Amino acid sequence: QSALTQPASVSGSPGQSITISCTGTSSDVGGYNYVSWYQQHPDKAPKLVIYEVSNRPSGVSNRFSGSKSGNTASLTISGLQAEDDGDYYCSSFTSGSTVVFGGGTKLTVL
Amino acid sequence: QVQVVQSGAEVKEPGASVKVSCKTSGYIFTYSYGISWVRQAPGQGLEWVGWIYPKNGNTKSAQKLQGRVTLTTDTSTSTAYMEMRSLRSDDTAVYYCARDPGAASFDHWGQGTLVTVSS
Repeated sequence: QSALTQPASVSGSPGQSITISCTGTSSDVGGYNYVSWYQQHPDKAPKLVIYEVSNRPSGVSNRFSGSKSGNTASLTISGLQAEDDGDYYCSSFTSGSTVVFGGGTKLTVL
Repeated sequence: QVQVVQSGAEVKEPGASVKVSCKTSGYIFTYSYGISWVRQAPGQGLEWVGWIYPKNGNTKSAQKLQGRVTLTTDTSTSTAYMEMRSLRSDDTAVYYCARDPGAASFDHWGQGTLVTVSS
């Protein structure tokens, strides 16, 4: 199972919006509405920010939103804040009943 | 509140085995939740290791690790375990366990356990 494809890095200024893409295949992202997104700060465990493509866990800011079209899922963060700086990973359930992660995207808030 | 606490760091020689524990609290362990294991090599991304469903003991592991990893639970202590055998240097990573409420999403994570494989 190959890793999902994410851009290595994205950046934005405070207050702006950014979008991170996550491209898979019809055997993972395109085949199931089981895409999740995680935020990770240095030396910390990942934190779930989006599940089932577009749902936010309790306590996650509504500045985080998710969507999917075909084999590509997207995470959008609006109103960027300094605390959003970090690494972001997508994941998807697969046809083999496993989970595959993306390679990760480093978000820099300028 | 849900808590997930893992065992401490381990240093192992190549070819040895390691067993990492993951103690949970704050929810019903054998309810409709799984436990997934995810690892992260130094400076690298996340890699899914496997999953266990405590209610019936069903497991699934990443194909590349099948045969070397065993996932178990002790329902009396709400603890999950991951054992990896025939360790190699490229198994060096922080190993995380996380609660899986379904839909392959992981909502509560342990603090991570660094496993170092070195001679």
